[in-house]
Amino acid sequence: DAGITQSPRHKVTETGTPVTLRCHQTENHRYMYWYRQDPGHGLRLIHYSYGVKDTDKGEVSDGYSVSRSKTEDFLLTLESATSSQTSVYFCAIGLAGDTGELFFGEGSRLTVL
Amino acid sequence: DQQVKQNSPSLSVQEGRISILNCDYTNSMFDYFLWYKKYPAEGPTFLISISSIKDKNEDGRFTVFLNKSAKHLSLHIVPSQPGDSAVYFCGVRWSNTGKLIFGQGTTLQVKP
Repeated sequence: DAGITQSPRHKVTETGTPVTLRCHQTENHRYMYWYRQDPGHGLRLIHYSYGVKDTDKGEVSDGYSVSRSKTEDFLLTLESATSSQTSVYFCAIGLAGDTGELFFGEGSRLTVL
Repeated sequence: DQQVKQNSPSLSVQEGRISILNCDYTNSMFDYFLWYKKYPAEGPTFLISISSIKDKNEDGRFTVFLNKSAKHLSLHIVPSQPGDSAVYFCGVRWSNTGKLIFGQGTTLQVKP
């Protein structure tokens, strides 16, 4: 089984504060992704990574940055959180076999007051 | 500009009948098409995928059809069961980058 852990699972913060969400995998997969899920918008890709220090923007990358300094960790940072970034954030890893299949974490619920 | 669209926000079917979920896309650079299921308060889980070189893939009660000329993807669930009630997302992957995006989702309700 692919191991993936998101932290924190829940966070409440105030507008203007920085926030970092962490995604940790135990499997050494090359691809990692950050999505947000909002009612009416489905799952929207924020950023993704195709290797250590190799990242690219997704559909809704404004206001977010990412870093991947080692294979197992993919960090999502909100430099200055806004209420529009209140959402559930999912990390995913690309499984082997080149079928496009992703394995998702359990999600991190972020509330920006 | 949305490149993947699920135009039906919701679908309701009777237990035992067929559920058909649809997805349209606009780009020809995708190499894999996928369906995911999501229950509340859980992460999405993989259901089935299809390569761009195929037009059909089956896995038990789930069949995915790909119509490349129409840029249309569909998921058939036969027979539908109450446990299939969930939000279903279609996803597409770029062939050269690994980038993978999803549609807005369709909420399926299967009534006993």
